[in-house]
Amino acid sequence: ILNVEQSPQSLHVQEGDSTNFTCSFPSSNFYALHWYRWETAKSPEALFVMTLNGDEKKKGRISATLNTKEGYSYLYIKGSQPEDSATYLCASLADRGSTLGRLYFGRGTQLTVWP
Amino acid sequence: DVKVTQSSRYLVKRTGEKVFLECVQDMDHENMFWYRQDPGLGLRLIYFSYDVKMKEKGDIPEGYSVSREKKERFSLILESASTNQTSMYLCASSLSTVGTSGIYYEQYFGPGTRLTVT
Repeated sequence: ILNVEQSPQSLHVQEGDSTNFTCSFPSSNFYALHWYRWETAKSPEALFVMTLNGDEKKKGRISATLNTKEGYSYLYIKGSQPEDSATYLCASLADRGSTLGRLYFGRGTQLTVWP
Repeated sequence: DVKVTQSSRYLVKRTGEKVFLECVQDMDHENMFWYRQDPGLGLRLIYFSYDVKMKEKGDIPEGYSVSREKKERFSLILESASTNQTSMYLCASSLSTVGTSGIYYEQYFGPGTRLTVT
């Protein structure tokens, strides 16, 4: 089992604030790191997949960075909006044999953006 | 667009009943997964399958079984439902895709089934 940790568990910010949260994962045998956004009453949706050390991905106001040597990824949201309120999940991809394709999820960071 | 559907959004069952949760994906994906989500615990993997009739246990398989007779369908079975199986159940499917910097296994999720066992 890969131990994936996310912090903080929850976050409350005002509209317009920028925010960031952390995902930590085992750096040995790293294969890929996924970020998902899960809005209430909807299905989790993929935000980013990152595989290389130093990767940076951006989608609108949301961006993510990856450090595979030290085993962490940051997700940043610039100028948070109420519609950004969701649980943000990160997941590490296992690279072993028949379990290829299995993701190990963190517990998520629940973001609430107040208008 | 990939579509993953689950048979019910809400389900209420009695203790001891046999419960079937069905999941269907329409994109010919190889891998399918069943998770449960409980407050503060995140997504926990129950079972997954990487081919028809193939299955592997996840982290919490006790009390569950699965069936994959066709590639597009993956069923989760609660042989004798108990109150501690009250939870949100999510199905997902994934396909290996070769990208610019590696092989991706992006998972596509269904809408979830909120099961209550009374």
